[in-house]
Amino acid sequence: QVQLQQSGPGLVKPSQTLSLTCAISGDSVSSNNAAWNWIRQSPSRGLEWLGRTYYRSRWHNDYAVSGKGRIIINPDTSKNQFSLQLRSVTPEDTAIYYCARETVAVAGAYDNWGQGTLVTVSS
Amino acid sequence: QSVLTQPPSASGTPGQRVTISCSGSSSNVGSNTLNWYQLLPGTAPKLLIHSDNQRPSGVPERFSGSKSGTSASLAISGLQSEDEADYYCAAWDDSLYGRVFGGGTKVTVL
Repeated sequence: QVQLQQSGPGLVKPSQTLSLTCAISGDSVSSNNAAWNWIRQSPSRGLEWLGRTYYRSRWHNDYAVSGKGRIIINPDTSKNQFSLQLRSVTPEDTAIYYCARETVAVAGAYDNWGQGTLVTVSS
Repeated sequence: QSVLTQPPSASGTPGQRVTISCSGSSSNVGSNTLNWYQLLPGTAPKLLIHSDNQRPSGVPERFSGSKSGTSASLAISGLQSEDEADYYCAAWDDSLYGRVFGGGTKVTVL
């Protein structure tokens, strides 16, 4: 059974960097059948895809165009986890952040999700 | 504004059939599989439908998906009170090279 456990601060000051980690159990961040995603949810924007990392002979990263170069997603094979960094945050980045597994078994849908982390951007 | 278009709300009485539409374009819905997610308050999203019309194990049969061209729909037959939630469609977009979601539809059970 796959489980994703998120960790990270719930409060970030404007202009600082938001950092979250998603620990994986029951699967591998290096799996050739999965990709590891970050998605956020807010009342004003609904669900918004931020990006993903995945391994297919080498590491790949894809990011949302709306991220405008502020997003970095990194795998950590030693701890079987992956992370999100969102730089130069503003109050508009206040949202519930989720990590999610995308798998070939369900044609690229997100079949497992982390518990969600409410991140508030405020001074 | 979301890339995929959904109605903001839908409603029905218990036992009724409710349908939610999702409209996109040739770069997303028209060329890639469509997925549906259910968001219950305070819980993580749940995959309801993948590959346009496939239910993962554990999803009740009253949920069904269909797609034609650049439009898709989610149907809930025999609406139940626990179906009151937000529903989102999603697909990969070849032009944006990223996942795009609909704006979400809030289903209310009257």
